[in-house]
Formats: sequence, structure tokens, C-alpha cells
Amino acid sequence: EIVLTQSPGTLSLSPGERATLSCRASQSVPNNYLAWYQQRPGQAPRLLIQGVSSRATDIPDRFSGSGSGTDFTLTISRLEPEDFAVYYCQQYGRSPVTFGGGTKVEIK
Amino acid sequence: QVQLQESGPGLVKPSETLSLTCTVSGGSFTGYYWSWMRQTPGKGLEWIGHITNTWGTTYNPSLKSRVTISGDRSKTQFSLNLYSVTAADTGMYYCARAAPDQTFDFWGQGTLVTISS
Repeated sequence: EIVLTQSPGTLSLSPGERATLSCRASQSVPNNYLAWYQQRPGQAPRLLIQGVSSRATDIPDRFSGSGSGTDFTLTISRLEPEDFAVYYCQQYGRSPVTFGGGTKVEIK
Repeated sequence: QVQLQESGPGLVKPSETLSLTCTVSGGSFTGYYWSWMRQTPGKGLEWIGHITNTWGTTYNPSLKSRVTISGDRSKTQFSLNLYSVTAADTGMYYCARAAPDQTFDFWGQGTLVTISS
């Protein structure tokens, strides 16, 4: 299976700052089938981005994704208070689908 | 708006069977994969398996020997049975809808299942 490694484990930033989250795959993700999810405390994950860079419905444009092959990035251009959460990457190019271990974005 | 709701016991004894049901409302069963996921301290977010609207099933190889997912079209429900559970199976269990490409766009709120005697 494809193993996804996310870094850093925790990102301490202030509202208004830019967040850059990394996801590295153990092998190339077929068709760049890479998604990102946000999980707030006590809630289920929410789909943010699929296909590396396509925002899901109602996701604001401060969220953007990039990358290809084995290296992918989620960028939040200006952090809003509601963006402090845990973010997961997911690959769905090869079964079984797998998730990364998560990056927590916390308030500095 | 599609809504999913998990139900089932919050406490299961070791070696017994964990059984959960997901009730789907506000949308059609057709064209999607109806999935179970879990989030455990040991393995994080993990896909367990799914059932399609034609009742085909696919399971994560790591759990395949202990899992059955079944469906009830008349009630727009699908269920998870995980057999011979251990403490390592303790965690939050989610049902979710997946597009055929396997991105998960709607999730239930999750249910916490504890494995303990």
C-alpha cells in the first residue's frame, strides 16, 4: 500500500499568516489522485481538495493544493480562526486508499 | 443534502463482534460507494471497506479476514461487522459516501466504540 507521510506534525501560526503543509508518498500516486481533508475537534473530516488542486464544493479559495508524483502541498494563504484544525492527505490512486498521519495547525 | 448517521453499541467485549449501522438520508444510493472508516490511536485514519449500490464489496486487505459490510436498500442503510475485536480496534468509526474515485464527500458524525471487558 502507499504510505503517506505528513510534515510537520504541528504548525504553530497566527491568524493571517500563511500555512504550508507537506504530504510525501512512498511511491508515485497514480493519476495524482491526492486529496486533502480538514478535521476540527469533535467533527468528522471534511473534504477540502481532490485531484491535487480542485477545491471541493464551498471551500474558500484561500485553500490551494499543488504537487505531483510523490510530493504534495496544501497551502492556506491567510489563516482564519476556523482554519486551526488537523489536516490529512489521502491517496485514492491505488487500493487500499490510505491517509497520512495528519498535521495540526495550532494558534501561536 | 446527504446525511449519514451511525448507530450501534459504544462498548464491545474483546473477542466479540462490533456491529454498526449507517442510515443514509437526503440522497440516492445509486452511483456511490458507501464506506466505513475508523480513527484509532494506533493507526490514525483507516479505510475499512465499502459497498456499492449493486451490493459489491471491497475491503482493506489488513482487515479483510475480520470484516463484513452489508446493505439494506429498502431502508437505505448499510452495516459493518468486525469480528474478533481487540483493544486495538477501539476508536471512532465513521460511515461516509465516496464517489467512484474514492474521495469521501459526506461523512457521519462518527461513533466511539470502546473494546473492553
